[in-house]
Amino acid sequence: KAGVTQTPRYLIKTRGQQVTLSCSPISGHRSVSWYQQTPGQGLQFLFEYFSETQRNKGNFPGRFSGRQFSNSRSEMNVSTLELGDSALYLCASSLADTSYGYTFGSGTRLTVV
Amino acid sequence: AQSVSQHNHHVILSEAASLELGCNYSYGGTVNLFWYVQYPGQHLQLLLKYFSGDPLVKGIKGFEAEFIKSKFSFNLRKPSVQWSDTAEYFCAVRLSGGYNKLIFGAGTRLAVHP
Repeated sequence: KAGVTQTPRYLIKTRGQQVTLSCSPISGHRSVSWYQQTPGQGLQFLFEYFSETQRNKGNFPGRFSGRQFSNSRSEMNVSTLELGDSALYLCASSLADTSYGYTFGSGTRLTVV
Repeated sequence: AQSVSQHNHHVILSEAASLELGCNYSYGGTVNLFWYVQYPGQHLQLLLKYFSGDPLVKGIKGFEAEFIKSKFSFNLRKPSVQWSDTAEYFCAVRLSGGYNKLIFGAGTRLAVHP
């Protein structure tokens, strides 16, 4: 079966712009989580959506937001981009029964210049 | 705050050497534990996970990990590494009641020399 699909793979944006990243989970997975990966901070949790509801949120400013659609696809948006937002953004999906674990996508590499 | 510590940031081994990567977490409640691997240029892949039962967990590619509750540890082991094991390894913890939030360690970069 298809894995977790994240688009686009690469993005270059200018400071002050906004960006939208997309994540399509594995078919049947209703939970989608987002993570930011940077060399300095490692992997940090952004937020998680389940059945279109945000269930958990990490310690990121309000410029970071997300949503989930009825088909479980999720988007995350970052407004007023800063240089420090340059990172690999990863999406993970899971079944409602999390004992099966989490499957990660290949990520979107965002560069802010 | 809850945290996950991976003690070794960089490990260099020769092929056939044994591997043990340390992972400790700070949380007194029930946890689910994971080890993920990230090969160069690839996405995170699940090596193994612990939810309950036998604290010695066997994963893919010959890896295993032991959950020691009293030590808050979940160390990863492999008796004989191969060059293809060169990758970055991440320990992660999911807290009870934490829905699907994973707390990751900083990662350990493993380089295996032929």
